[in-house]
Amino acid sequence: GAVVSQHPSWVICKSGTSVKIECRSLDFQATTMFWYRQFPKQSLMLMATSNEGSKATYEQGVEKDKFLINHASLTLSTLTVTSAHPEDSSFYICSARADRENSPLHFGNGTRLTVT
Amino acid sequence: GQNIDQPTEMTATEGAIVQINCTYQTSGFNGLFWYQQHAGEAPTFLSYNVLDGLEEKGRFSSFLSRSKGYSYLLLKELQMKDSASYLCASLDSNYQLIWGAGTKLIIKP
Repeated sequence: GAVVSQHPSWVICKSGTSVKIECRSLDFQATTMFWYRQFPKQSLMLMATSNEGSKATYEQGVEKDKFLINHASLTLSTLTVTSAHPEDSSFYICSARADRENSPLHFGNGTRLTVT
Repeated sequence: GQNIDQPTEMTATEGAIVQINCTYQTSGFNGLFWYQQHAGEAPTFLSYNVLDGLEEKGRFSSFLSRSKGYSYLLLKELQMKDSASYLCASLDSNYQLIWGAGTKLIIKP
């Protein structure tokens, strides 16, 4: 079964509104979670690394004020797309890794965001 | 149901060639990805195939047969740094990535 739960699976929102995506590790604690974005027929691109109890680390070109990341507990990270625009329509996927040496990354099933 | 199958582990020798196979069954198909993942790190993109045939990128090549639901990743002139897990993932009709469990590739000198 899934070890990383991502919700919602898909969402349609109007331009200018905000959308929150949740990523939960189900069977383990994860100090670090990763958020990715994938546009159709392109590669998965890392957006940011979410760190429990501290600020997220954003990749170059990713606006931290637009993509708010909160990692308030060891099992939950959230990504909020603020003031969404049609160009933000994409597939967002999170992943998490248990706080054990050599533990693998587990991925959520992703969230398909469509901004109209 | 949706399913991705790939071998759990493979071993190869430095300088040799290895082929990692992947079969998939998904609801719709929008392409197949191969990713490399070193232990404790995020996966990195290797290839994307949506049309039948072979795509070559340096030492790595990826092949797709849509009619057979089959893909392979071919690694040539293996180097020790190629020791990693290789993830096959299919993009279904809803643009959701369906991931295989990964193939751990061990390179021996």
